[in-house]
Amino acid sequence: NAGVMQNPRHLVRRRGQEARLRCSPMKGHSHVYWYRQLPEEGLKFMVYLQKENIIDESGMPKERFSAEFPKEGPSILRIQQVVRGDSAAYFCASSRGQGGSNQPQHFGDGTRLSIL
Amino acid sequence: TQLLEQSPQFLSIQEGENLTVYCNSSSVFSSLQWYRQEPGEGPVLLVTVVTGGEVKKLKRLTFQFGDARKDSSLHITAAQPGDTGLYLCAGTYNFNKFYFGSGTKLNVKP
Repeated sequence: NAGVMQNPRHLVRRRGQEARLRCSPMKGHSHVYWYRQLPEEGLKFMVYLQKENIIDESGMPKERFSAEFPKEGPSILRIQQVVRGDSAAYFCASSRGQGGSNQPQHFGDGTRLSIL
Repeated sequence: TQLLEQSPQFLSIQEGENLTVYCNSSSVFSSLQWYRQEPGEGPVLLVTVVTGGEVKKLKRLTFQFGDARKDSSLHITAAQPGDTGLYLCAGTYNFNKFYFGSGTKLNVKP
């Protein structure tokens, strides 16, 4: 399967713990986007990264949240000191170039984060 | 504040009926995309529209981008149970950041 791979698919954390969500983009894709989705809602943009660079993080909370996309390895979305309100589905998408009509985003199946 | 408003929120119809869902905004987008999402899965891209007034067909699905590039519609002819899912539209100004609507949840009953 050459699609966008996210893991884990489900993650349970207690309040105050750290959550690490991983995303391996499709082969040949160097652009990664992270989104958050609450039940019965659309996706909310969080951050857009290219290899080793954050291009747009305007949708990401200033505290506790960080994202990286290193030269080697998957993109990581990290949430420190999780709170109940962080419970959501987190989706990653990748594209070969900057997303657009000829560079569509392909989504993974998400990580469902539950905070106890 | 939702940049893209989708309507209706929920739609339940019988197999064989036609339907139209809408995606409206006060903003002009460079392009707009439609996705379908099933429970437990990520959104799957159906179509991207770029040019004002553009119409694209995908089998029984017809997508239209408004002349002013502010709104779009998705029309499904002779709906089937397999069309059941959450239909999302997403717009972008600069292809860096995509704004999603809240979706239309479609249920097609056999």
